[in-house]
Amino acid sequence: AQSVTQPDIHITVSEGASLELRCNYSYGATPYLFWYVQSPGQGLQLLLKYFSGDTLVQGIKGFEAEFKRSQSSFNLRKPSVHWSDAAEYFCAVGDTGTASKLTFGTGTRLQVTL
Amino acid sequence: KAGVTQTPRYLIKTRGQQVTLSCSPISGHRSVSWYQQTPGQGLQFLFEYFSETQRNKGNFPGRFSGRQFSNSRSEMNVSTLELGDSALYLCASSPGRRGPLYGYTFGSGTRLTVV
Repeated sequence: AQSVTQPDIHITVSEGASLELRCNYSYGATPYLFWYVQSPGQGLQLLLKYFSGDTLVQGIKGFEAEFKRSQSSFNLRKPSVHWSDAAEYFCAVGDTGTASKLTFGTGTRLQVTL
Repeated sequence: KAGVTQTPRYLIKTRGQQVTLSCSPISGHRSVSWYQQTPGQGLQFLFEYFSETQRNKGNFPGRFSGRQFSNSRSEMNVSTLELGDSALYLCASSPGRRGPLYGYTFGSGTRLTVV
């Protein structure tokens, strides 16, 4: 069964600093990978997704992620964080067998200090 | 284009009662999925419907059920509520048969509190 690990529960960065959120997945086939963001009391918003092709994917709000098959990782990055980026971030892997569900990591809460 | 609409936003129920939550997907989206989100367990998959058929179900007791109507609207029902059912219930829609693999659009959720 597929699984996702987000090793950092909570990260604090200063506004303007760079950001990297880690995600490791376990999946036998070529994974469908996603990053979602959730603001307090809200649903999740899709930031970016990877299916195949270029291993560096660009998303919304200036985020990007790099797929590294050899490390089973799909880390999320942003060169310069804004205070409005404070939220919880979830990495997820798709179940290509049933094509009907995602398995989410436990999330990383990002705090941005001014 | 309207997003995914979940009603109600907040619910307070008593143990033993039952509850029905509603989800209206984005127009044209035929796949509707439900997730339970709690601080302890995170986001857990409940079920997914495509064209009125349940294609997948997560590891939840039979007290959790759902259905999808011909207009793609979906409802989920929880019977005999327990305190542990308190959670944010999220609905997500996606287009097409393999829609979930191309990314969901989530609703804002229904916050259920069982007392």
